[in-house]
Amino acid sequence: AQSVAQPEDQVNVAEGNPLTVKCTYSVSGNPYLFWYVQYPNRGLQFLLKYITGDNLVKGSYGFEAEFNKSQTSFHLKKPSALVSDSALYFCAVSGGYQKVTFGTGTKLQVIP
Amino acid sequence: GAGVSQSPSNKVTEKGKDVELRCDPISGHTALYWYRQSLGQGLEFLIYFQGNSAPDKSGLPSDRFSAERTGGSVSTLTIQRTQQEDSAVYLCASSLAGRTGGKVNTEAFFGQGTRLTVV
Repeated sequence: AQSVAQPEDQVNVAEGNPLTVKCTYSVSGNPYLFWYVQYPNRGLQFLLKYITGDNLVKGSYGFEAEFNKSQTSFHLKKPSALVSDSALYFCAVSGGYQKVTFGTGTKLQVIP
Repeated sequence: GAGVSQSPSNKVTEKGKDVELRCDPISGHTALYWYRQSLGQGLEFLIYFQGNSAPDKSGLPSDRFSAERTGGSVSTLTIQRTQQEDSAVYLCASSLAGRTGGKVNTEAFFGQGTRLTVV
């Protein structure tokens, strides 16, 4: 069975500092990997995905994620955090055209 | 439509009553998901429909919960004899779950959710 782990319930980072939100996965075959963001009182928005190709994927709002096959990780990163980045972030995986499985979410708090 | 549409956006019901939540997925999307999210918490998977395959009901918390998807499009989540612990935001998502124009499109797109309050 496929699974996603987001080991940190919450990440705090100072505004202007780089941020990383961690995600590891387990899936049979080649993974399709996703990041979503949920701002307070809003629905989930798709940020970026990895299907194949370059290991560094760029997405919306200046976010990027790095696929690491050997470590089965897909960490979300941003070079310089903004207060407006404060939100709940979800990592997700699917094995091909299968059901997408979501992680438990990481709350990102950017401190002014 | 342009996005996933859920109705109603808010529902307050009395304990013991039945409720129906509706989801209109993006046109042409073959996969449809229902999730439940308590305030500020993670996503709890409920059920997954993919094309004509038997739905994955492994996340339904009890037999009071059921869902159907008619004609491969609109889905209805029904909660019978609601309990206070059923109070949550119920999210629907849909996905193309396939390849179009040479590109893989499996990401799920979410509706705004139905906030259910059982009093």
